[in-house]
Amino acid sequence: EVQLIQSGAEVKKPGESLTISCQISGYNFRSQWIGWVRQMPGRGLEWMGFIFPGDSDTRYSPSFQGQVTISADKSVSTAYLRWTSLKASDTATYYCASSGTASTFDFWGQGTLVIVSS
Amino acid sequence: EIVVTQSPATLSVSPGERVTLSCRASQRLTNTVAWFQQKPGQAPRLLISDTATRATGIPARFSGSVSGTDFTLTISSLQSEDFAVYYCQHYRTFGQGTRVEIK
Repeated sequence: EVQLIQSGAEVKKPGESLTISCQISGYNFRSQWIGWVRQMPGRGLEWMGFIFPGDSDTRYSPSFQGQVTISADKSVSTAYLRWTSLKASDTATYYCASSGTASTFDFWGQGTLVIVSS
Repeated sequence: EIVVTQSPATLSVSPGERVTLSCRASQRLTNTVAWFQQKPGQAPRLLISDTATRATGIPARFSGSVSGTDFTLTISSLQSEDFAVYYCQHYRTFGQGTRVEIK
C-alpha cells in the first residue's frame, strides 16, 4: 500500500525558516515524481513543483521559483519543502503527492498546515 | 501559458441526479486531464487520470471525456458521499474547482 506521511502542523513567525517533510512507503521512492501542492485557506489547489529523487531533477512553478526549495533524501525515502524566510501569505495547507508519469498525482499525503503569524 | 477554467463554480444538485462538470483549456492540450475530489478537511483524491481512466477503487458512476478543448467529468447518479469540490488538472495547472452542494 502506497503511503505518504507528512510532518505535523507548524506555527511560525514571519522571517523564520521552516522545512516540512513527506515520507513515502509502498513503492520505489527513486522512480516516482514527488510534488508539493499549496492550498490557502478557503482556496483551490496550486501546483508548486516536484522532484524526481532518482536523479534529483527538480521543476518549479514560476509562481514558486525562488520562494521555496524542494529536495529529497533517498536514504530515508523522504521529500522536503523548505522556506528560508516565511511570510504571512505562506499560511496554507501543503500537500505532497506522488506521480509515476510527471503528469497526474496518484497518491497524496494528509497535508501539513503551516500558520505564519506574528 | 495554458489557462484551465472550470465551470460552474458551484452546482446545487439533488441526490440521484446526473452531474456534468466542465474543464476548458485555453488551447488544445497535448497532455491529458485528471480529476480530483476533495472533501472538507481531507486531501484531494484522484478520480480520473488520462482524461477517462478511473483510478483504482473509483465507482463506475464517475466518468471522464473530452471534446476538443472541453473536458468533462460526469457523475451518472449523484450519491450523498459525492458532495465535495472537484478539481481538474492539466500537467502543472489546476482548475479553480467546482463545488457540488446539496440542493
